[in-house]
Amino acid sequence: SQQGEEDPQALSIQEGENATMNCSYKTSINNLQWYRQNSGRGLVHLILIRSNEREKHSGRLRVTLDTSKKSSSLLITASRAADTASYFCAPPNQAGTALIFGKGTTLSVSS
Amino acid sequence: DAGVTQSPTHLIKTRGQHVTLRCSPISGHKSVSWYQQVLGQGPQFIFQYYEKEERGRGNFPDRFSARQFPNYSSELNVNALLLGDSALYLCASSERPEGTNEKLFFGSGTQLSVL
Repeated sequence: SQQGEEDPQALSIQEGENATMNCSYKTSINNLQWYRQNSGRGLVHLILIRSNEREKHSGRLRVTLDTSKKSSSLLITASRAADTASYFCAPPNQAGTALIFGKGTTLSVSS
Repeated sequence: DAGVTQSPTHLIKTRGQHVTLRCSPISGHKSVSWYQQVLGQGPQFIFQYYEKEERGRGNFPDRFSARQFPNYSSELNVNALLLGDSALYLCASSERPEGTNEKLFFGSGTQLSVL
């Protein structure tokens, strides 16, 4: 299936450190999105990166996309306790009607 | 403006019962998608609707159905509930029919427990 697969599954860091999460997917895409979920509630969109972009920034977030390796990464710089959440990459399905989520990376940031 | 609203927030049902979950998209958004998230897993796609037409369906049994109303709100119906239907049901809206070419706005979800 197309689903994004995040790595690592869990990550624990101290406040101020950087957190890097990786994502791999299987088929060609025209874009890939990253979402965040706090405490099993609704997901919040972080970044959408298109296939013709290699890198995109939003505040303390940096996303890269390597279409040749079918992989993406999310970097959170200077992490805060409030960044504690689950992070999901979401490539689209082949029909373009749905996002395909993996199990996500659970990030814990301790103060 | 209000975000995506879902009701109810929590629901407890018994096996074999039927449930209806409701979703109101962001004003101006014509596309609504439904996802099921089982504990410890990522959301799994159930349906996408745009302008009251079903545009996509995930790998779920026929016990799951949905519809979209003229005001773009949506209902997800699940018949003959099974224990395995216990999950967080998420609704998401977007402006355009291509639900994957722009960001989705998610509601807070309905937590369904089947006993």
